[in-house]
Amino acid sequence: QVHLQESGPGLVRPSETLSLTCAVSGDSISTYYWNWLRQTPPKGLEWIGYIHDTGSTNYNPSLKSRVTISADTSKNQVSLKLSSVTAADTAVYFCARGSVVGVPASDYFDSWGQGTLVTVSS
Amino acid sequence: DIQMTQSPSFVSASVGDRVTITCRASQGISRWLAWYQQKPGKAPKLLIFAASNLQSGVPSRFSGSGSGTDFTLTISSLQPEDFATYYCQQAKTFPRTFGPGTKVDVK
Repeated sequence: QVHLQESGPGLVRPSETLSLTCAVSGDSISTYYWNWLRQTPPKGLEWIGYIHDTGSTNYNPSLKSRVTISADTSKNQVSLKLSSVTAADTAVYFCARGSVVGVPASDYFDSWGQGTLVTVSS
Repeated sequence: DIQMTQSPSFVSASVGDRVTITCRASQGISRWLAWYQQKPGKAPKLLIFAASNLQSGVPSRFSGSGSGTDFTLTISSLQPEDFATYYCQQAKTFPRTFGPGTKVDVK
């Protein structure tokens, strides 16, 4: 059974870069889609982007200029960097596995980390 | 972006009740739709994918239907552990987008 665990600073100063790591156990990150999402009371659940087994990435256009998702296969972990943060980036951040299933097929978020709260404040 | 809406925003229900939640997409998404359940302080849990397919381990009292722009999640007989917030999510295009949620609480 796959297990995902997010980690990183809980407090980031405005204009700095938010950096989070998702450690994956029970599965190889060399398969599936590995996603980052966030949740805030005003905006709800927001998909940030994914990295796929080939190393390809896809980002939400609303965040694309500030987001980088990368993978370290030797550590079996996925990372998120979000630059130039503001208070609007305060959220609970989740990593989630995307599995391609169904007819018609698409990727769905079938396993999630517990989430980590990141607050942007000086 | 495809906008997802849900109704109602809140449902007050009792154990044993049949609960129906509706989700609407701003454009046709065929059957590329998922439903998630989220409890306070926890991550969302996948219940239904491809509009009507039950995720492994999810009780059969949950069912999904619909295609195109209109979808429904039904809980046939509400159980105590089902009090939670439910979200729909489209999986047709990027960026993936979610509905605002429907909270099911105790009447």
